[in-house]
Amino acid sequence: EAGVVQSPRYKIIEKKQPVAFWCNPISGHNTLYWYLQNLGQGPELLIRYENEEAVDDSQLPKDRFSAERLKGVDSTLKIQPAELGDSAVYLCASSFSSGDNEQFFGPGTRLTVL
Amino acid sequence: GQQLNQSPQSMFIQEGEDVSMNCTSSSIFNTWLWYKQDPGEGPVLLIALYKAGELTSNGRLTAQFGITRKDSFLNISASIPSDVGIYFCAGQPRFGNEKLTFGTGTRLTIIP
Repeated sequence: EAGVVQSPRYKIIEKKQPVAFWCNPISGHNTLYWYLQNLGQGPELLIRYENEEAVDDSQLPKDRFSAERLKGVDSTLKIQPAELGDSAVYLCASSFSSGDNEQFFGPGTRLTVL
Repeated sequence: GQQLNQSPQSMFIQEGEDVSMNCTSSSIFNTWLWYKQDPGEGPVLLIALYKAGELTSNGRLTAQFGITRKDSFLNISASIPSDVGIYFCAGQPRFGNEKLTFGTGTRLTIIP
């Protein structure tokens, strides 16, 4: 069974440029999460989707970050414009439902903003 | 955002040694989870705890849900090279649809 797929794995951009990350959750998983992981820290939730609905986006910096999960399957996280402080690993996770504690994480996208 | 306090931050041990690490919170959690993260990968769930005082094992790993609901412990017995990685605790205020708050991580290194 395929796990959570993320692309790209690495991205290097200059500040003020836009960037997008893609995530395909495990088949059948209704809940999708985007996390931010800074170096030496644990993941921090950015947004949680139940199917196509964003049910918790309280930690998403909405001035520059946006996300979508239009058909309730794969999802895209966008940053526009990127800042130096956005350099981090962006992790996607999915679970069967929000009542399921076991979140399966993808390998992440490592973003470097120069 | 909030991060749980994990101790120690890093550990250097020899193969075969036992390992203990803990996680503390200023607030109560009703679910405690322990994850392991290998370099370049996402975290993988090791053990989930749902009841205060609960002691749960997964092979050589044993985790405990503290009775105060503000802490949790993870022990690894007879460490092997593949135990190397970063261990994260995570807490949830309620079971289910509450976001996970992760700890700052404990980096385990095995000295040859």
